[in-house]
Amino acid sequence: DAKTTQPPSMDCAEGRAANLPCNHSTISGNEYVYWYRQIHSQGPQYIIHGLKNNETNEMASLIITEDRKSSTLILPHATLRDTAVYYCIVRVSLTLDNQGGKLIFGQGTELSVKP
Amino acid sequence: DTEVTQTPKHLVMGMTNKKSLKCEQHMGHRAMYWYKQKAKKPPELMFVYSYEKLSINESVPSRFSPECPNSSLLNLHLHALQPEDSALYLCASSQEFQGNQPQHFGDGTRLSIL
Repeated sequence: DAKTTQPPSMDCAEGRAANLPCNHSTISGNEYVYWYRQIHSQGPQYIIHGLKNNETNEMASLIITEDRKSSTLILPHATLRDTAVYYCIVRVSLTLDNQGGKLIFGQGTELSVKP
Repeated sequence: DTEVTQTPKHLVMGMTNKKSLKCEQHMGHRAMYWYKQKAKKPPELMFVYSYEKLSINESVPSRFSPECPNSSLLNLHLHALQPEDSALYLCASSQEFQGNQPQHFGDGTRLSIL
């Protein structure tokens, strides 16, 4: 089962920041949080990932709470092309020393960016 | 543009046919994955290959047969599929199965079983 919970849908005005929340209260100490998005008829696109520090790249920022039980993906200036399903995923470790793991997708958040 | 290439993009086949899905990456990744995605559902892991060896089989029926002939190629051989196997089949790759580098996905093969 997925270890993440996300709202099923969200709206955002074009040009505004989109803040997508994710709960992962059962995350283990060595498990990373990944964000992907999937635009209709395409494969999932990697956005960003992190362990406990906040991360930023050219696409987005990832804010992870200090207790690591939740995180927020921030798209600073949403455009119409950001309309997609956004998946927050905890990579589940298969061994105690994190030698191998797998992504278990949850249901995701359908983000609609409106003009 | 995706760096993981899947062919064909669309495939229609009968329940008695044999077909293969192909996936290719030239990023030097040593882990490759097959996922299945039903309409309006998230992707579900099917198989993982690490250094051309099968590492994970998520209890997939034997009518799906994966093959990794070399580090750049991944095939999924299909035989005697059922209508409920109609789905989007996604391939992904990552630098290593161990470690935390992200997986990169292709755009999938949309499979329809008649």
